[in-house]
Parts: sequence; C-alpha cells; structure tokens
Amino acid sequence: DAKTTQPTSMDCAEGRAANLPCNHSTISGNEYVYWYRQIHSQGPQYIIHGLKNNETNEMASLIITEDRKSSTLILPHATLRDTAVYYCIVRVANSGNTPLVFGKGTRLSVIA
Amino acid sequence: EAQVTQNPRYLITVTGKKLTVTCSQNMNHEYMSWYRQDPGLGLRQIYYSMNVEVTDKGDVPEGYKVSRKEKRNFPLILESPSPNQTSLYFCASSLWSSGNEQFFGPGTRLTVL
Repeated sequence: DAKTTQPTSMDCAEGRAANLPCNHSTISGNEYVYWYRQIHSQGPQYIIHGLKNNETNEMASLIITEDRKSSTLILPHATLRDTAVYYCIVRVANSGNTPLVFGKGTRLSVIA
Repeated sequence: EAQVTQNPRYLITVTGKKLTVTCSQNMNHEYMSWYRQDPGLGLRQIYYSMNVEVTDKGDVPEGYKVSRKEKRNFPLILESPSPNQTSLYFCASSLWSSGNEQFFGPGTRLTVL
C-alpha cells in the first residue's frame, strides 16, 4: 500500500471549516483514500472514502486532486467534539485481507 | 444499534494467567479483525477472519490465538500473557474484507504485570 504524509497537528476555531490535507503521491490506480479518526483512545471511527471523485456524507467532504496524489478532508463546521487524531489511509480494494495501516495522523484541536 | 462490543474494557493480570477478550458484532459482518495499538507504533493487525472457521495471522500474531465458531463472535485468547502484550486492543468488523468501512469496538486496555 502507498504511504501517506499528513501534518502532525492543526488547530481550528469552533464553527469554522477544518481542512486536513494528505499527500499520497505513490498511490496506485486501484487504491482508495480512506479517512478515519480516533478520539482519545476510543476505537477508530470511519469518516469517508473515495477513489477519484469527490465524496460527501453527513460527516465530511473528501476532495481528491485530479492526479490523485493528494486529498483534503473537510469538516464543514468543526465542533469541540471533532478534536481527534485524523488518519488518511490508502488501501487496495480487493477480496483479500487488506488491514488498515494507520500512520501518525494529524492531531486536530478545535478551539472554542 | 449496530455495534462492535468488547469485554472486558480494562484488565490487569499477571504473567502466565490465560485470558480471553471477547468481541461481538451484530451487523452480520463476514470479516473480523484484531488490532493492538502501542505508542509510536500505530495500529497493528494481530489476526483476522474472512468468515466462520476461516482465520489467519496478521502482522503480529505471536502469543495470541483466535477462533471464529460463529459469525458474530471473534474472541482473542492469550494463553500465557507476558508484559510485552500490555497494550490497547481493538476488534473491528466489516461486511467483507475490503472496499468498505470497518467498524471498531471501544477497545480493551490490557496490563500484564
């Protein structure tokens, strides 16, 4: 699986949009981009995933560049409960075992 | 409510005393997996199961056993725990092995003295 690069930490004011970048310059054509988050020692929580088109769900939006070498997770109106470590993961979609490989992630602090 | 449950949530034990951490999901998922999380090392997969009676080793299987007799349950067994197995453990499940989201349990914090 391709590796990802994320900033170590970011701050965001409550109510503003949080934009979390991720670089995955060696991504392969059959690899998806996944985002998970982990709130202090709780189980990781799935947020969103995509292949090449932008995706949106009730939690966030995922913007993937045309060359697929980077992406941005957008939390449109961050709240204090969004303070967490956010992980960007690239992962092959096939029928075998493809464990999630969590890197160091980005520690997002939402500030009141 | 769709969920993955783990028990116990916290456990302090001594070296060599066999223990089992249970994991159960109510979503009829085929794929289940165990991870451990250690500071600076991220999450590492211990064992996984593609379906009932089908289990296989992940990246760090030494010292652990699993079983999958029923679709909903995937217990993690430590036959003779050692201090290097002190960790935070997560069970996860998904509809199938890839291409979709994995649901994680709340975690089990294990301390082996």
